[in-house]
Amino acid sequence: DAKTTQPNSMESNEEEPVHLPCNHSTISGTDYIHWYRQLPSQGPEYVIHGLTSNVNNRMASLAIAEDRKSSTLILHRATLRDAAVYYCILTSYNFNKFYFGSGTKLNVKP
Amino acid sequence: EAGVAQSPRYKIIEKRQSVAFWCNPISGHATLYWYQQILGQGPKLLIQFQNNGVVDDSQLPKDRFSAERLKGVDSTLKIQPAKLEDSAVYLCASSRAGQGGDEQYFGPGTRLTVT
Repeated sequence: DAKTTQPNSMESNEEEPVHLPCNHSTISGTDYIHWYRQLPSQGPEYVIHGLTSNVNNRMASLAIAEDRKSSTLILHRATLRDAAVYYCILTSYNFNKFYFGSGTKLNVKP
Repeated sequence: EAGVAQSPRYKIIEKRQSVAFWCNPISGHATLYWYQQILGQGPKLLIQFQNNGVVDDSQLPKDRFSAERLKGVDSTLKIQPAKLEDSAVYLCASSRAGQGGDEQYFGPGTRLTVT
């Protein structure tokens, strides 16, 4: 399983943008990049995913480096409800197997 | 659309006892996953079903854990006998077809405490 590397923790101020980095230097050409987050005492929830191009949805944006060896999850205006552990996950093109690392714990300050 | 349902939400048992968890995935989802999440760690995949067949159980401790998905719908995960190190949250998830770009939908989990 291709692995990802994320910082253990990050801090942000409320209503400011947050950039969460992820390194995945062993990514293969057909691996998807997924981001999930887990709020306290809840199951993980989907945030966004992409293959090669940058992606935007109502929750966040995903910026993928040109060589695909890193990506960044962008929360445009952090709220207190965004405080969670964020996981960056790779899956192969035709097999949806998730390997969760330790993730990045995001703390949002009011 | 109803989400992934799990029961019970909490369970406390003594070591060497047995326990079973139930999961009902989102209607129409072919792929079902069971994860174990130990406090402070990310979820670890235990077993993955495609319809009623197992596609990956490489990290399932088969001497004490078993899982089934009869009729390709709901699923049961059993532990017998339980050990102290089995204390964790057990998460069930489902996805539409199990393809790389599919979203996984997670249930709320069952928190197991083994004393």
